[in-house]
Amino acid sequence: GAVVSQHPSWVICKSGTSVKIECRSLDFQATTMFWYRQFPKQSLMLMATSNEGSKATYEQGVEKDKFLINHASLTLSTLTVTSAHPEDSSFYICSASPFVKESGNTIYFGEGSWLTVV
Amino acid sequence: GQQLNQSPQSMFIQEGEDVSMNCTSSSIFNTWLWYKQDPGEGPVLLIALYKAGELTSNGRLTAQFGITRKDSFLNISASIPSDVGIYFCAGRRNQGGKLIFGQGTELSVKP
Repeated sequence: GAVVSQHPSWVICKSGTSVKIECRSLDFQATTMFWYRQFPKQSLMLMATSNEGSKATYEQGVEKDKFLINHASLTLSTLTVTSAHPEDSSFYICSASPFVKESGNTIYFGEGSWLTVV
Repeated sequence: GQQLNQSPQSMFIQEGEDVSMNCTSSSIFNTWLWYKQDPGEGPVLLIALYKAGELTSNGRLTAQFGITRKDSFLNISASIPSDVGIYFCAGRRNQGGKLIFGQGTELSVKP
């Protein structure tokens, strides 16, 4: 199946600093990628839809100045958590969808990135 | 945000037993997807369903896309310990659109 890769797998940063997480589609092009946040024992919460070449679409309640998304190419989207605080500590997951007929409407997920803010 | 109604929330079963879980929605989806998530990892796609009424198998897993396009079920036959994890259903209305998730079903298998 299609492969989506995230980097880093885990990161620890100090309060007030910014941290960037990358999401890459390794064997397909993705005009759209999605960023999620997941708390323990809960379902995935969609944060934003990343659109290649244009601004991201944020879900209600998600601060766009806090969570900066850049989708600079058809295989790479980045999420930057700015001025991180301990409450931003979470598991962040990206997903992408190959826009090809034979793959239908399927979405593949990255491995996730653990962020701990100390 | 909107979520699908997934049940049961958790299951504790004996190895070898069959498992069934389902998702329902008040609105129509054009794609239903089933994922499994292990602790600390991203969801892994198990089965994708694209047509109403479609029944698809992947090894011991079978899933169906409901005729009304408002529900889907996943069956696991002859469960084994490595089936342990959280299973999520997800619906998508159109290509390029976002996924709507169920709350997840946590499966525990006793050897």
